[in-house]
Amino acid sequence: AQSVTQLDSQVPVFEEAPVELRCNYSSSVSVYLFWYVQYPNQGLQLLLKYLSGSTLVKGINGFEAEFNKSQTSFHLRKPSVHISDTAEYFCAVKPSLYSGAGSYQLTFGKGTKLSVIP
Amino acid sequence: AAGVIQSPRHLIKEKRETATLKCYPIPRHDTVYWYQQGPGQDPQFLISFYEKMQSDKGSIPDRFSAQQFSDYHSELNMSSLELGDSALYFCASSAPMETQYFGPGTRLLVL
Repeated sequence: AQSVTQLDSQVPVFEEAPVELRCNYSSSVSVYLFWYVQYPNQGLQLLLKYLSGSTLVKGINGFEAEFNKSQTSFHLRKPSVHISDTAEYFCAVKPSLYSGAGSYQLTFGKGTKLSVIP
Repeated sequence: AAGVIQSPRHLIKEKRETATLKCYPIPRHDTVYWYQQGPGQDPQFLISFYEKMQSDKGSIPDRFSAQQFSDYHSELNMSSLELGDSALYFCASSAPMETQYFGPGTRLLVL
């Protein structure tokens, strides 16, 4: 089984300031990692994903995340946020193709609400 | 690019009524997943289908059933609705074991 912990439920940040949204996971098998964004009253949009290879992953809208296997973390960062980044961000994991888990559902964290202050 | 389509987008039902939610996956995606997101909650996996067969089952109540049809669209049938079923229901699709792409969701309100 997998679990995801997003350490901050709410993060306020001023416009043009940097932001980091933290995500830690637990799993007995190898996993793929994802960040999804949910704008108010909308669906989930994939921001970025880590499957393998370089541990620094770049996504849409200037976001990036770094996979740290030893710390089981996948923190999301953006060097300069915009008002339009105000949304809820979900970290998610699923067993990797080679894990033999037999189940490929996504397990989500509780979400982090990012509020960008003008 | 084509995305996952869900219908209806909004639905209001009374307690004990039934509801059917529909999901049309991205073309050439043969795997469909259903998730439920309660107010202020993270999405919870309900059920998934691959090639019209149930592939995985999560926390789906017995009152709910789902299926995937020959054109790969899926329907989630919900009976004896309860107030606690009020939620946003997402469908996601993927190629086998690949990244899941989500639809806009159906917002169900049970009165």
